[in-house]
Amino acid sequence: GAVVSQHPSRVICKSGTSVKIECRSLDFQATTMFWYRQFPKQSLMLMATSNEGSKATYEQGVEKDKFLINHASLTLSTLTVTSAHPEDSSFYICSAVSGAKGNEQFFGPGTRLTVL
Amino acid sequence: DAKTTQPPSMDCAEGRAANLPCNHSTISGNEYVYWYRQIHSQGPQYIIHGLKNNETNEMASLIITEDRKSSTLILPHATLRDTAVYYCIARGSSNTGKLIFGQGTTLQVKP
Repeated sequence: GAVVSQHPSRVICKSGTSVKIECRSLDFQATTMFWYRQFPKQSLMLMATSNEGSKATYEQGVEKDKFLINHASLTLSTLTVTSAHPEDSSFYICSAVSGAKGNEQFFGPGTRLTVL
Repeated sequence: DAKTTQPPSMDCAEGRAANLPCNHSTISGNEYVYWYRQIHSQGPQYIIHGLKNNETNEMASLIITEDRKSSTLILPHATLRDTAVYYCIARGSSNTGKLIFGQGTTLQVKP
């Protein structure tokens, strides 16, 4: 199957700093990737749609200036949490759409962000 | 995309079939029914999807009612490793349709 990786798997940072999370499709090209956030005991919440070569589309209530998304290549999308605060602590998950596999979405393993 | 409704939790004995129901009474004709599962602290894993016909793969079977208002995911021989949250999602047929996750069903497989 198609493989999606995320880096780092875990990150701890101080309040006020910025954190970058990478999402890579390892064996396929993805023109579209999605970013989700998941708080403890809750479901995944879609944050934004990342399109290669164009600006990301954010869901209602998600601050685009706080969660910067860059999809610079067909295999890499990055999410930068700027000026992170403790309430941004969450599990961030990306998914990538494979055109070669019927436009199915494949998910990364997630990144656990803890802001102190 | 149509809203889906699932029971919050279910138990199943190891080795028995797990039948997970999903209601999607407002599903439209071009929306597929997708099932994903999420094992604790991991990303979701695709299980199966279907439009009208029943589907089967190496992981599970998907039974969709004739009126398409509900479906059932069947894990034929549940194992302890099948303990997870199972999500039923109605997704449009657009090429890059986003997935909107509900609360899902927490399946606990017990020895």
